[in-house]
Amino acid sequence: EIVLTQSPGTLSLSPGARATLSCRASQSVSSSHLAWYQQKPGQAPRLLIYGASSRAIGTPDRFSGSGSGTDFTLTIGRLEPGDFAVYYCHQYGSSLITFGGGTKVEIK
Amino acid sequence: QLQLQESGPGVVKPSETLSLTCTVSGGSISSRSYHWGWIRQPPGKGLEWIGSFYYSGSSYYNPSLKSRVTISLDTSKSQFSLGLSSLTAADTAVYYCARGEYQILSSLLYYMDVWGKGTMVTVSS
Repeated sequence: EIVLTQSPGTLSLSPGARATLSCRASQSVSSSHLAWYQQKPGQAPRLLIYGASSRAIGTPDRFSGSGSGTDFTLTIGRLEPGDFAVYYCHQYGSSLITFGGGTKVEIK
Repeated sequence: QLQLQESGPGVVKPSETLSLTCTVSGGSISSRSYHWGWIRQPPGKGLEWIGSFYYSGSSYYNPSLKSRVTISLDTSKSQFSLGLSSLTAADTAVYYCARGEYQILSSLLYYMDVWGKGTMVTVSS
C-alpha cells in the first residue's frame, strides 16, 4: 500500500497569497498517477488535478500541480475567498488506491 | 450530466450490516471506461477508499476492510450497492459513492471524477 503524507497539516494565509501544498508518497507513484481534490465543509470532494499536473474540467488556471516519483506539489497562485478549504492528494493506477490525510488552507 | 445519489439508513446498530445504494443518473453504469466506488470519511477526518466494482464483475477492496465489504452492481436499476458487516462505532462516517476512470488495458483503477453528495451513517445502539 502506498501511504501519502501531506504537509503542512494547516496553512494559514491571506487572500491573494500563494499557497504551496506538499504530498509525499512512501514509494514511487507510477506514471504520475497522482490527483488532487478540494473539499469544502459539508460538500463532497471535487477533482482539481489528475496525472500530477493536468487540470480537470472547470479547474481555474491559478491551480497547478507538479512533481513525480514520491514528491508532488499543488500550488494555488493567488488565493481567492473560495479557495479556503481542505485539499487531499490521491494516488491511483493500481488495484489499491489511497488518499493523503489532507491540508487545510485557512484564512489568516 | 452524470449524477450520483446515495441512500440508506442514517443509524445502524453495532454488529449489524450496513446496506447503502448509489443511484446513477445521466449516464450508463455499464460503461467500459469507469469503475464505481465507495469512499468514507469519519467526522473531522480524511478520506478512506472502501472498494470499487467494474461492470464486467471485477471487484477491488481495501485490504483493511475486505473481510467485511461487498460491492455489487444492478445495471437494470442503474444502481450499485455497498454492504459492510460487523459494524462498530469506528464505522461512523459520511459515505460517498463515486465514479472513477478505469484503465481497460491494465485493469487498473484511476482517479474518482464524479462524486455523490454523501450520506451520514452513525453506528449506535
